[in-house]
Amino acid sequence: EAQVTQNPRYLITVTGKKLTVTCSQNMNHEYMSWYRQDPGLGLRQIYYSMNVEVTDKGDVPEGYKVSRKEKRNFPLILESPSPNQTSLYFCASSLRGGGYEQYFGPGTRLTVT
Amino acid sequence: AQSVTQLDSHVSVSEGTPVLLRCNYSSSYSPSLFWYVQHPNKGLQLLLKYTSAATLVKGINGFEAEFKKSETSFHLTKPSAHMSDAAEYFCVVRSASKIIFGSGTRLSIRP
Repeated sequence: EAQVTQNPRYLITVTGKKLTVTCSQNMNHEYMSWYRQDPGLGLRQIYYSMNVEVTDKGDVPEGYKVSRKEKRNFPLILESPSPNQTSLYFCASSLRGGGYEQYFGPGTRLTVT
Repeated sequence: AQSVTQLDSHVSVSEGTPVLLRCNYSSSYSPSLFWYVQHPNKGLQLLLKYTSAATLVKGINGFEAEFKKSETSFHLTKPSAHMSDAAEYFCVVRSASKIIFGSGTRLSIRP
């Protein structure tokens, strides 16, 4: 089944404790992206990757890191999480950029206390 | 630079009546435009997309949208609302690299 998977689905952590949210797709997509969703703000793009080893900042990259060493994986790293990073996070992929449909993961709900 | 504005944060309609969710965009070139739906506690699902072909785009579940370049709009419509349409709807503009979401419109359906 074609899908985007994210792990963990739920995470409660404390300020400053490094964490990684994994994202994997099995559709051989070139483009992958991370978003955070906050009430009233829609989804905001954190980072995106046009292909392996090619990543770039979205609109809200502060406090986040990403890497794209393999085509299928695009982990999101929070080196020192803070309470303002409490949010619902979505990973998505598409065949390429431009007019291609994105496929979304199920979301990761992160709480930083 | 691109931007997208969803003109209503909340729309409430009666079951069986038409739905109109409004979206205006700004783009320095011909954009790709999408509508996604998110049901409560669920992920996002594509409703329809415009990529410079026909200006009237038909999607799933009876939804359609019309691309109007002169008005920079991409409004989502449905002739007859169903209770299962209650959800949050997002208008999205996409370039070759970046993706911008609108802030969302919550659609409520009254019995």
